[in-house]
Amino acid sequence: KQEVTQIPAALSVPEGENLVLNCSFTDSAIYNLQWFRQDPGKGLTSLLLIQSSQREQTSGRLNASLDKSSGRSTLYIAASQPGDSATYLCAVRPAGGYSTLTFGKGTMLLVSP
Amino acid sequence: ETGVTQTPRHLVMGMTNKKSLKCEQHLGHNAMYWYKQSAKKPLELMFVYSLEERVENNSVPSRFSPECPNSSHLFLHLHTLQPEDSALYLCASSQVGGSGNTIYFGEGSWLTVV
Repeated sequence: KQEVTQIPAALSVPEGENLVLNCSFTDSAIYNLQWFRQDPGKGLTSLLLIQSSQREQTSGRLNASLDKSSGRSTLYIAASQPGDSATYLCAVRPAGGYSTLTFGKGTMLLVSP
Repeated sequence: ETGVTQTPRHLVMGMTNKKSLKCEQHLGHNAMYWYKQSAKKPLELMFVYSLEERVENNSVPSRFSPECPNSSHLFLHLHTLQPEDSALYLCASSQVGGSGNTIYFGEGSWLTVV
């Protein structure tokens, strides 16, 4: 059974810092990996999706990497801003079948001015 | 606005009540999902519908009953719930069979069972 772990569970940084969120998964037979953002009391917003054949994806100040063989992904946030404060979730989709994503518990990020 | 709309956003119900959550997607997707998000637990998949046919049910208690009348609408019927069922219920949709398969979530329905 796939398990997804996110470290750290919570992170507090001052504005302007570069930071890295970690995600690990136990079964490397994945189709893709997706990073989401969730604001308090809200639904999930997709940030980046990395196919199993890709190594990284970039969107603005966000960069996500994938090392499928070692079961790891990182989300790099450059020059963090208070508006980046949210919970970041990592989810993997298994190879084959439907989008039955397995989620981690998330990393709660607080960026202080 | 993600293209997935859930109503109501908040619901308080007694253990003997019957209520329903509604989800509508405007993205032309062919698969819809119900997820449950409880405090300090990962999102849990409850049901998957693809092409209006339920294809997965992760051993969800029968007090939760899904209904998918067409590819754009999904309901979650609730009856005789327990306080531990209080959670955020998220609906999502995706296009199965294409590349990418990005999944889009609604804003969620906060359910409190008293």
